[in-house]
Amino acid sequence: AQTVTQSQPEMSVQEAETVTLSCTYDTSESDYYLFWYKQPPSRQMILVIRQEAYKQQNATENRFSVNFQKAAKSFSLKISDSQLGDAAMYFCAYRTSGAGGTSYGKLTFGQGTILTVHP
Amino acid sequence: NAGVMQNPRHLVRRRGQEARLRCSPMKGHSHVYWYRQLPEEGLKFMVYLQKENIIDESGMPKERFSAEFPKEGPSILRIQQVVRGDSAAYFCASSPRGGRTEAFFGQGTRLTVV
Repeated sequence: AQTVTQSQPEMSVQEAETVTLSCTYDTSESDYYLFWYKQPPSRQMILVIRQEAYKQQNATENRFSVNFQKAAKSFSLKISDSQLGDAAMYFCAYRTSGAGGTSYGKLTFGQGTILTVHP
Repeated sequence: NAGVMQNPRHLVRRRGQEARLRCSPMKGHSHVYWYRQLPEEGLKFMVYLQKENIIDESGMPKERFSAEFPKEGPSILRIQQVVRGDSAAYFCASSPRGGRTEAFFGQGTRLTVV
């Protein structure tokens, strides 16, 4: 079974600075997806960024980028130019690719990291 | 195009009562996933359904919990004889099909058992 670990229960950053959230995972599969979700106090789960394991290039979405190290099974999220609106709980998640007959999109989540942004 | 709709947003039940949580997937989506989020924890998979079929219920507690996704109408997560430990946020996600397609989340239902 796959597991996802976020070792930082809480992180804080000054507005306009950069912060990196860590995530490691364990899997025996070679093809899969990794995600970062943001959960603000409203509870809505918002997809921040996704990475396909077969792509070597790190995904980027505006101020959000990832450092995907497949051999090390590491998937960190970097938030540049942090804004007050970035304050939220962040979850790392894993999903199988669906290849090999396992054709479903079940997500396995980490425990979450609470990000505080100081003005 | 409306997103995934869950209702109610908040539900209070006394111990021993039944809780029914509803999820209307996005238009055109035939795959539904239910997750549970206990306080201060991440989301945990409960069940995956397609129309009229349960595909994977490996995360469902063996007793008191059931789920359905009928041909017509929303998906229902049913909890019988609720206990305080059932208090959590329950999220539904839907996708047009499984595998490589993206799933979209609803805003969740917060169940409080008193």
